Amino acid sequence: DGGITQSPKYLFRKEGQNVTLSCEQNLNHDAMYWYRQDPGQGLRLIYYSQIVNDFQKGDIAEGYSVSREKKESFPLTVTSAQKNPTAFYLCASSPPTGDIQYFGAGTRLSVL
Amino acid sequence: LAKTTQPISMDSYEGQEVNITCSHNNIATNDYITWYQQFPSQGPRFIIQGYKTKVTNEVASLFIPADRKSSTLSLPRVSLSDTAVYYCLVVKRGFQKLVFGTGTRLLVSP
Repeated sequence: DGGITQSPKYLFRKEGQNVTLSCEQNLNHDAMYWYRQDPGQGLRLIYYSQIVNDFQKGDIAEGYSVSREKKESFPLTVTSAQKNPTAFYLCASSPPTGDIQYFGAGTRLSVL
Repeated sequence: LAKTTQPISMDSYEGQEVNITCSHNNIATNDYITWYQQFPSQGPRFIIQGYKTKVTNEVASLFIPADRKSSTLSLPRVSLSDTAVYYCLVVKRGFQKLVFGTGTRLLVSP
């Protein structure tokens, strides 16, 4: 099955801890994205990557970091600098046409 | 990309047809209208895209008038499982950052 796999489904962060959310795709898409969704809200773009070894900040990048060492993988690290990390995190990818994004099932991050 | 406006919420009953209208007054010549569906605790799922007139697939129909300043997503004979948030987006071909607003929250009751 082709698609986007996010793990873990649920994640808990302790004060001062960095946590990493995994996103893997086997759709052979160049572009990948990370979004944050708060309850009852739309999606806000954290980071995006158009190609391997390149990524750009989205609208709310502060307190987050990413890497893109492989085409298939785009992990997101929520650092201790992100003071309000509790949210639903979504990873997506898009083909060269760029007009449709395919999403993973999401990771729900909570703070202990 | 053109900004979109859609109702915050809608209620319906099983078996009814639901029409969700989206306004996009500043749509450009090269823009397309795209709709996504999001169930609770899941990622959004692409359901339909169109440029003009009417597009139909196994899930929904999309009606776009000649001036393209609005569009209507039509869900025939909804069931409880159609309860979800529906997002209307205006997109162009090529890499872009999509803008997901708060969408329309559809509640289907028995």
